[in-house]
Amino acid sequence: DAGVIQSPRHEVTEMGQEVTLRCKPISGHDYLFWYRQTMMRGLELLIYFNNNVPIDDSGMPEDRFSAKMPNASFSTLKIQPSEPRDSAVYFCASNLGRQANYGYTFGSGTRLTVV
Amino acid sequence: GENVEQHPSTLSVQEGDSAVIKCTYSDSASNYFPWYKQELGKRPQLIIDIRSNVGEKKDQRIAVTLNKTAKHFSLHITETQPEDSAVYFCAASRNSGGSNYKLTFGKGTLLTVNP
Repeated sequence: DAGVIQSPRHEVTEMGQEVTLRCKPISGHDYLFWYRQTMMRGLELLIYFNNNVPIDDSGMPEDRFSAKMPNASFSTLKIQPSEPRDSAVYFCASNLGRQANYGYTFGSGTRLTVV
Repeated sequence: GENVEQHPSTLSVQEGDSAVIKCTYSDSASNYFPWYKQELGKRPQLIIDIRSNVGEKKDQRIAVTLNKTAKHFSLHITETQPEDSAVYFCAASRNSGGSNYKLTFGKGTLLTVNP
């Protein structure tokens, strides 16, 4: 099992540009989570999906952020337009809901720098 | 929503000593409490977890205790080694009926084990 796969690993972009982060969950996992990690705020949940349907997007900071999960093996997190304060590490994680109470498996993360 | 407080934010110990990290949570319905270890530049990885029907769980040098009445749980690492140096996160979630709810994380503890 290749685990949760995220791309790109690093992204440097200019303020105002569109950024798209990608995630492939572990095959068979029916929950997918997007987290943002910063020194000041720690690990923040942005949005999560169950069976490709968004369940809770209350952590999405503002309308500039959007997330989709068109199928069970792919999700995107888009920021448009990007701002310097969006600089952070973005993690995707997946989980098998039937095994409730099992921890998430995180991807390697995307380190985003907006200049 | 759930709020998880974690203390201390930094902890420095000598190799061979024990380390204890404490967390409190606010939602009395929370019933699953995992701990994650994150090495510098890496993803968070699950190291141990505990469910609300258990008061203590051990795995070699690592143990976790849970006090539901007081709504706090702790991570204990004995005989610390330099490779234990990392950031440790506690988390809490409310799982029921096979439904998987979001994890709320503490802000993390930077553990440094000095040789």
